[in-house]
Amino acid sequence: SQQGEEDPQALSIQEGENATMNCSYKTSINNLQWYRQNSGRGLVHLILIRSNEREKHSGRLRVTLDTSKKSSSLLITASRAADTASYFCAETSGSRLTFGEGTQLTVNP
Amino acid sequence: GAGVSQSPRYKVAKRGQDVALRCDPISGHVSLFWYQQALGQGPEFLTYFQNEAQLDKSGLPSDRFFAERPEGSVSTLKIQRTQQEDSAVYLCASSPRLAGSVSSGNTIYFGEGSWLTVV
Repeated sequence: SQQGEEDPQALSIQEGENATMNCSYKTSINNLQWYRQNSGRGLVHLILIRSNEREKHSGRLRVTLDTSKKSSSLLITASRAADTASYFCAETSGSRLTFGEGTQLTVNP
Repeated sequence: GAGVSQSPRYKVAKRGQDVALRCDPISGHVSLFWYQQALGQGPEFLTYFQNEAQLDKSGLPSDRFFAERPEGSVSTLKIQRTQQEDSAVYLCASSPRLAGSVSSGNTIYFGEGSWLTVV
């Protein structure tokens, strides 16, 4: 069963705007990862944030982690039409990733 | 190839038919994972191999599901007597390190999946 929950489930914005997606999780984590999935494709790892980190940047991506609230957010700045995809957070536990249900982001040109 | 390769990409099976899905991981990768992704959902863990050893099969939904990796490279996920609820994308992923390092941030690489539709 899914542990992570993302919100919103769907997000539609205009090119150039920022997109923020949130994720809540239930267990204690070593780290939390964010993945992207284009329609009909596999998942691509975007960024990882460790439990002792509060914020991390990678290009136009910014991830925050609040372990007290068991939540994380992914911010995509200056969005592009090519950012249109589903975004998933994933908790890591032992050998497995546990994914949320994802946020479908649509960036309109 | 450079990435994880899965075949077939698309499979339509009649209810009750057996199917076999193949995964070619990245060469040299120790760890191999299978995930099931229903439409509109996130992937769910099925099973994990370290080389040829199946160390975790706790995610397999029933005894109709069987996975193997006999030589520690190519893996096959077999579904017997398919049912409509088996319709999903089956994703394979591999990693150069042991799976326990997933918790420490080891990146895993996903294939593009095998889309199974049971009619």
